[in-house]
Order: sequence, then C-alpha cells, then structure tokens
Amino acid sequence: GEDVEQSLFLSVREGDSSVINCTYTDSSSTYLYWYKQEPGAGLQLLTYIFSNMDMKQDQRLTVLLNKKDKHLSLRIADTQTGDSAIYFCAENNSGNTPLVFGKGTRLSVIA
Amino acid sequence: SAVISQKPSRDICQRGTSLTIQCQVDSQVTMMFWYRQQPGQSLTLIATANQGSEATYESGFVIDKFPISRPNLTFSTLTVSNMSPEDSSIYLCSVQTGGAGELFFGEGSRLTVL
Repeated sequence: GEDVEQSLFLSVREGDSSVINCTYTDSSSTYLYWYKQEPGAGLQLLTYIFSNMDMKQDQRLTVLLNKKDKHLSLRIADTQTGDSAIYFCAENNSGNTPLVFGKGTRLSVIA
Repeated sequence: SAVISQKPSRDICQRGTSLTIQCQVDSQVTMMFWYRQQPGQSLTLIATANQGSEATYESGFVIDKFPISRPNLTFSTLTVSNMSPEDSSIYLCSVQTGGAGELFFGEGSRLTVL
C-alpha cells in the first residue's frame, strides 16, 4: 500500500533555512504536495509538484523531487517564527483518489 | 480553490452522546471527504461523500458509527455516534477542486469526549 514517511521534528534558528524531508513508496504518484497546519487550524496547501518535475520554486519555498529515490523535500529560506507549524507531505497517484498523508514534521523556529 | 466552513469548531461531549458536524462549501463539488486527525497523528480518511448516493467508507470505519449525509453539492454532515474518549480528534472536511488533485480543507472540528 501507499506509505509516506517524514521525520517528526525539526528545530531551526530564525533566518536560517529549513529543510523538511519526505519519502514515499508509490512510484505511480503523479503529484506530491506540501501542506502547513498551524495550531488550531485546518491544513493549508502550500505547494505541489508534478512528478515529471525535479524542482519548483515559489518565493521562499523550494520543492525538490527525486523520483528515482522517491524523496521529496521542502526548503524554506529565511525561516521566520511565523513558519512554526506542522508540515505534511502527501501524495496522490491519480486525479480522483484522495491524498495519502505523512505523519507531519513539527517545525520549531527559535528566535 | 474553495472556501470550506465547518461547525462546530470545537466541542466537549459526554460519553455515549452523538454530535453532528456540518461542512459548507462555497462552490458545487462532486465529492467531499471526511478525515480524522487524532492527537499527534496524521490524517486518516473516514469516508467519501457523494451527492445522491451512499458514502463510501474506508477500512475500519462504519456507517453506524459515522453516518454521513450529502443532501446537495455544497453541503455535508458527519455524525460521530455513541462517542467514547477514543473519538477525541479533529475532524476535517475537504474537497478536491484543483486540476492537480489537491485537497482544500475546512478549519476542522475539535472534539473532546469526556
């Protein structure tokens, strides 16, 4: 079955870059996603990447995809205290099935 | 994208009671999804709600415990029946409206069962 793995915790200093990693097992995934969940809130879609791309950049966010190793990462440049949240990696192997989520990485930003 | 409103946003319930969560979407959607997020855990899909037909439940979830209604293309309800403390979770409604299969979520309903 599909499985998505993430490390549970990451702590960085304000102004540094954060890199959150994710591995997945389903080689037929067509899209991979990153979501952010702030305390007491639902999940907010940050970005997604199509499986035939290696990289996608959106302002401070950079997504890298290594399809051969089934490894996805999210880099946040110049991390701010407002970036403190749980970040979920998710995959979808077709357009009509709901997503499979990892357990989430809790990012703590130290001022 | 879609704007999704859920209510209640949180509630404290007594063991043995039932609670219905409402989900309203600002556009018509074919499928709505209900997820559960237990404390410190990831999201688990409970069921898919289709308008005009019975909901499709995932393994481990049954209609008697989590009855779902889908009366139209913008609204759904999830009932958590005969609650126990193990049902304490965040329940999230979501829809899939983007071309990349992305899901959009409501703010969630945080249930605490005593």
